[in-house]
Amino acid sequence: DVKVTQSSRYLVKRTGEKVFLECVQDMDHENMFWYRQDPGLGLRLIYFSYDVKMKEKGDIPEGYSVSREKKERFSLILESASTNQTSMYLCASSPTPRTGGSYEQYFGPGTRLTVT
Amino acid sequence: QQQVKQSPQSLIVQKGGISIINCAYENTAFDYFPWYQQFPGKGPALLIAIRPDVSEKKEGRFTISFNKSAKQFSLHIMDSQPGDSATYFCAASLTGFQKLVFGTGTRLLVSP
Repeated sequence: DVKVTQSSRYLVKRTGEKVFLECVQDMDHENMFWYRQDPGLGLRLIYFSYDVKMKEKGDIPEGYSVSREKKERFSLILESASTNQTSMYLCASSPTPRTGGSYEQYFGPGTRLTVT
Repeated sequence: QQQVKQSPQSLIVQKGGISIINCAYENTAFDYFPWYQQFPGKGPALLIAIRPDVSEKKEGRFTISFNKSAKQFSLHIMDSQPGDSATYFCAASLTGFQKLVFGTGTRLLVSP
């Protein structure tokens, strides 16, 4: 069974704090993703990584950065947390299909971050 | 710009009824259309997916109907059960690209 774990289920931080969200997957997947989930807005991609030390911006990268030093670990960093970053953050991983086939994304349980 | 539009935002269906969730996409290059199911407190999980070379795919009580000319696809849940109560997301992507574009989600409640 693929397992994607996130470091915290709930997190409360103050405005201006630096926040680290950690994600670890145990299936040797090449690709990892960070999404935020907000009511009525669905899942929006913040950043993704298709290899160690490689990253690409998603649809809403402003205010976030990422780090991938090891294949199994993908970190999301909020350099200076703001109240509008209060949200549910979901990490996902997926393999790269060898023959151009479909690729399922496996999600972690999410971290609910509240910035006060 | 939202590329996948999902409706309705919420849905209440009686046990045994049919739940129908619709999605429309804009990018005609999309060629992979999955549906994800999310229970409270859990991350989304792949439920069923379709490619545009077929018009329908069925897995148990779950069916995707696909209309390429209308750029629409829908999820049908037959004989809906209270255990199906969850949030459902449609998505779309291009083969070879790892990014999925998600719809805004539908919260389904199946009443006993």
